[in-house]
Amino acid sequence: GAGVSQTPSNKVTEKGKYVELRCDPISGHTALYWYRQSLGQGPEFLIYFQGTGAADDSGLPNDRFFAVRPEGSVSTLKIQRTERGDSAVYLCASSHRDWIDTQYFGPGTRLTVL
Amino acid sequence: AQTVTQSQPEMSVQEAETVTLSCTYDTSESDYYLFWYKQPPSRQMILVIRQEAYKQQNATENRFSVNFQKAAKSFSLKISDSQLGDAAMYFCALSEYGNKLVFGAGTILRVKS
Repeated sequence: GAGVSQTPSNKVTEKGKYVELRCDPISGHTALYWYRQSLGQGPEFLIYFQGTGAADDSGLPNDRFFAVRPEGSVSTLKIQRTERGDSAVYLCASSHRDWIDTQYFGPGTRLTVL
Repeated sequence: AQTVTQSQPEMSVQEAETVTLSCTYDTSESDYYLFWYKQPPSRQMILVIRQEAYKQQNATENRFSVNFQKAAKSFSLKISDSQLGDAAMYFCALSEYGNKLVFGAGTILRVKS
């Protein structure tokens, strides 16, 4: 595709439920990143994939958060037992190879936990 | 630890005028990259300009230019001939070896007609 796409655009769920957020990176980009952006703040790093493997997951806040990228393309961010504090915009970005390449962002998924 | 500070929560500029957004950062690395991203209400984070730390020449992209002061760890963005479409949240970001981008808190830019 022309750019990074994310689905759904908006997700409303109830406290305690499980959610999955999907990211489709730019074709050919091997690096993929997830960020979380709370209202009025800058994005915060969650996890970075190089190919199929998570090269850096130091930003995941706790073990309720998990992400996969099984075929080195599409990635899914999974949140178990959602809490109201998980409400935020979840941004995905991809870059051609690694850290020297510019990251291109998707439009984000706005997650609201009621 | 790498940090990015944007000290201006909000700025205003008259259409066709020039505005400068400030950013300071801290890093222990000598090789890194700096970015300015624009985020309109649509949420799409758009790259405005990128600066490699090893390059002394300031980056420019049409009406956008930076003033990169490596010793002072300062990276300001100048927008010339401001347009209504420039109104957005602007984020300064730092990337050093390790891939994660570290963002500042952002500056809201309002453009008055």
